Amino acid sequence: QQQVKQSPQSLIVQKGGISIINCAYENTAFDYFPWYQQFPGKGPALLIAIRPDVSEKKEGRFTISFNKSAKQFSLHIMDSQPGDSATYFCAASWANDMRFGAGTRLTVKP
Amino acid sequence: GAVVSQHPSRVICKSGTSVKIECRSLDFQATTMFWYRQFPKQSLMLMATSNEGSKATYEQGVEKDKFLINHASLTLSTLTVTSAHPEDSSFYICSVLLAHLNEQFFGPGTRLTVL
Repeated sequence: QQQVKQSPQSLIVQKGGISIINCAYENTAFDYFPWYQQFPGKGPALLIAIRPDVSEKKEGRFTISFNKSAKQFSLHIMDSQPGDSATYFCAASWANDMRFGAGTRLTVKP
Repeated sequence: GAVVSQHPSRVICKSGTSVKIECRSLDFQATTMFWYRQFPKQSLMLMATSNEGSKATYEQGVEKDKFLINHASLTLSTLTVTSAHPEDSSFYICSVLLAHLNEQFFGPGTRLTVL
């Protein structure tokens, strides 16, 4: 059972554009929603995370929008750069149980 | 965040041999660590939760006798792939849990190739 659904599977954006990745979850017990960035051959790195008591969190060019009633959250990358090209995973966690989305392969074209 | 290392970064072995992968929490004492497996272009799949001083908790479908986990100290967890076969070839990643923040920090991963 896929508890976290992520879309799109792949995304191509021009340099300077906005990259948007969406996730939806099913388990209302989830209380922590991180986004991870993974480069080929490397482990995932925590990018930004949000808890359900806020609807938006911004760190630099990265913003998470969270809609608790819709059980959806999204990652916005402003002014996308070629160095942002990577695979992005959303996740949802409760207690020690973290479930990952399928991943989005982002390519930012110069 | 926590700094996590894994050793080796990549290993190639013959079918039937056993391979041990180490996961170390370098700056944080972790009572809980996790082991994930990732196939090419796929997401991370949780294999087991490693608890210091107790038996690991395995996810459904993961053979505990094939994937032996030892969490003998607060900074070290090991995953041993016993009698490895080509289908065990994968990217194995560990993570440590910062319990007070409920955040996980990942190691750099180990690429296992079984010939």
